[in-house]
Amino acid sequence: DAGVIQSPRHEVTEMGQEVTLRCKPISGHDYLFWYRQTMMRGLELLIYFNNNVPIDDSGMPEDRFSAKMPNASFSTLKIQPSEPRDSAVYFCASSLFPGNTIYFGEGSWLTVV
Amino acid sequence: GESVGLHLPTLSVQEGDNSIINCAYSNSASDYFIWYKQESGKGPQFIIDIRSNMDKRQGQRVTVLLNKTVKHLSLQIAATQPGDSAVYFCAENSINTNAGKSTFGDGTTLTVKP
Repeated sequence: DAGVIQSPRHEVTEMGQEVTLRCKPISGHDYLFWYRQTMMRGLELLIYFNNNVPIDDSGMPEDRFSAKMPNASFSTLKIQPSEPRDSAVYFCASSLFPGNTIYFGEGSWLTVV
Repeated sequence: GESVGLHLPTLSVQEGDNSIINCAYSNSASDYFIWYKQESGKGPQFIIDIRSNMDKRQGQRVTVLLNKTVKHLSLQIAATQPGDSAVYFCAENSINTNAGKSTFGDGTTLTVKP
């Protein structure tokens, strides 16, 4: 079975540009998570959804970040405008139900110059 | 505040030796713990998990031990191989309070010397 699929795998963009990261969770998983990983801060949970509804977005850094899940098989994380400090690896992950294993995608490597 | 942390950021072992990676957690309400392995350029991958009603769980070459009294978790890797070189994260989850989200530790880098 296909795992969590993320795109793009790598993106380099200029400061001020809009960035959209995409995620397809594992089919049947009701929970979707967006994480950010940096050397300084490790793995940080940005936001997570349950049945397409945002449950906790307390980890979203600021208003420049937004996430949507229009249906059970697709989610986006948008940064507008992007800044160099947003450079990180962004992981999407999904799980079947609370307390279950979280399965990660391969990540989107973002560099903002 | 609540936190999950690893005791050591790096661990270097000889191929064939056993490895032990430790993790401390502070949320006494945590009831589900997971170890992940992250290889360079990849996302974290599930290794093994344990629920709070257990003290020990074994997988293939890996064992997780849970000591709820001192809030300590460890991952033991038997006969460590070069392919085990990676960053290892522990994660804790509280089904009742966190509704499914996990808190990750900082990670321990395991290096296996041939």
